[in-house]
Amino acid sequence: GQNIDQPTEMTATEGAIVQINCTYQTSGFNGLFWYQQHAGEAPTFLSYNVLDGLEEKGRFSSFLSRSKGYSYLLLKELQMKDSASYLCAVREDSSGSARQLTFGSGTQLTVLP
Amino acid sequence: DADVTQTPRNRITKTGKRIMLECSQTKGHDRMYWYRQDPGLGLQLIYYSFDVKDINKGEISDGYSVSRQAQAKFSLSLESAIPNQTALYFCATGAGANTGELFFGEGSRLTVL
Repeated sequence: GQNIDQPTEMTATEGAIVQINCTYQTSGFNGLFWYQQHAGEAPTFLSYNVLDGLEEKGRFSSFLSRSKGYSYLLLKELQMKDSASYLCAVREDSSGSARQLTFGSGTQLTVLP
Repeated sequence: DADVTQTPRNRITKTGKRIMLECSQTKGHDRMYWYRQDPGLGLQLIYYSFDVKDINKGEISDGYSVSRQAQAKFSLSLESAIPNQTALYFCATGAGANTGELFFGEGSRLTVL
C-alpha cells in the first residue's frame, strides 16, 4: 500500500516562486507524477519523475529523492491562472501489469495579486 | 471535441436507483480507468481495464460494476445508488504500462438523494 502526504492549502503572490512538497511511503516505487486540476475541471498531467533529480519544464520543475520518499513541484513566476489544486501521484512497482497510480489529496494553491 | 467524453455530466438520482455513467475515448488507448473524487480525499480508483477482456478492481470497487464494451468504451454502474456515492466521477485513459500519464474526461457529478 501507499501513503501520500501533501499540504492541503498554500497561498502565494503573483510573480513569486512556490514549492509544493509531497512525501510518500510505498512498498515499491515506480514513478512520481504531478497533475494540475482547476476547479470543476479534469486533472491534467504536469510532470513525471522516476530517477532522482530535477526535471524542468518551463515555469514548472519537479524534484525527486527516492531515498527520502520526497518530491516537490516548483512553480516560478506565478500567474493568476496557476491557482489550482496540485495532485501528487505515486506509481507502485508490482508484478504483472498492475502498476496503478495512487493520488494524494491535493494541494490547493491560491495565487494572490 | 474532447478526447475522453463522459455522459452524463451531471445527474441527480434517488437512493436505490440504478445509474450508469458512460465513457468513450478517441485516443486509441487500451487502458481505461474510473476514479471518484471527494473533497479532501483526492482521486480514488474504482475499476480499471487494460483491454476488452480485462477488468480489475481498484481501491473502492464495492457498490460499483463496470463494462468494457469496446476498446473505446468503458461504463460504470451503480446497481443501487446510496447517498455516500455522491461524488465527482472521472474516467481516464492511459497509453501503456510504462507511462503514468493519464488523460481524464471532464467528470460526471452524481448526487444521490
